Amino acid sequence: RKEVEQDPGPFNVPEGATVAFNCTYSNSASQSFFWYRQDCRKEPKLLMSVYSSGNEDGRFTAQLNRASQYISLLIRDSKLSDSATYLCVVNYNFNKFYFGSGTKLNVKP
Amino acid sequence: AAGVIQSPRHLIKEKRETATLKCYPIPRHDTVYWYQQGPGQDPQFLISFYEKMQSDKGSIPDRFSAQQFSDYHSELNMSSLELGDSALYFCASSPQRDTQYFGPGTRLTVL
Repeated sequence: RKEVEQDPGPFNVPEGATVAFNCTYSNSASQSFFWYRQDCRKEPKLLMSVYSSGNEDGRFTAQLNRASQYISLLIRDSKLSDSATYLCVVNYNFNKFYFGSGTKLNVKP
Repeated sequence: AAGVIQSPRHLIKEKRETATLKCYPIPRHDTVYWYQQGPGQDPQFLISFYEKMQSDKGSIPDRFSAQQFSDYHSELNMSSLELGDSALYFCASSPQRDTQYFGPGTRLTVL
């Protein structure tokens, strides 16, 4: 079983839709949590860190639920440019970063 | 803002040849990570360095080695290349083993 699990999708949504992704992690001692966005054949780019209190950056909201060991990403008012693969990353014991397999989002006109 | 620099960006090698990939972290970042990403796969962790010492090892083949130098740049050395080594190789750097920032990657093609 992978340390970090994500639904691979694809999620096909129309422009303007709200879409949410979840990611579960297996190690309860995990310390920090991130969402990255990766476009085809490009490097992962940090979208946001995820804090216990939840955090928001424009149209993006991330939540952490330690009790249930999952993090979520909500994208409001989807744009065509949001089409990408979204990677959930969990940091355990500082040295170890575990990646989910990514969730593919296709935003259609 | 300065980003992670990787060189070369593209590399073509024959089977059984050697390759050296270089990574220059963001200034004042003391930790470097190497990842391999095959087509349609998530990045697979290879190895990391913290303050010039190896700090963790992932699924790095014995044919590969890496080090971090006094100026914090890192090199990944790959020998006896195989067709299956064709992939994108990313380097990421972080300050004190916190958030990772990725370089643009080196695309290695083994023929």
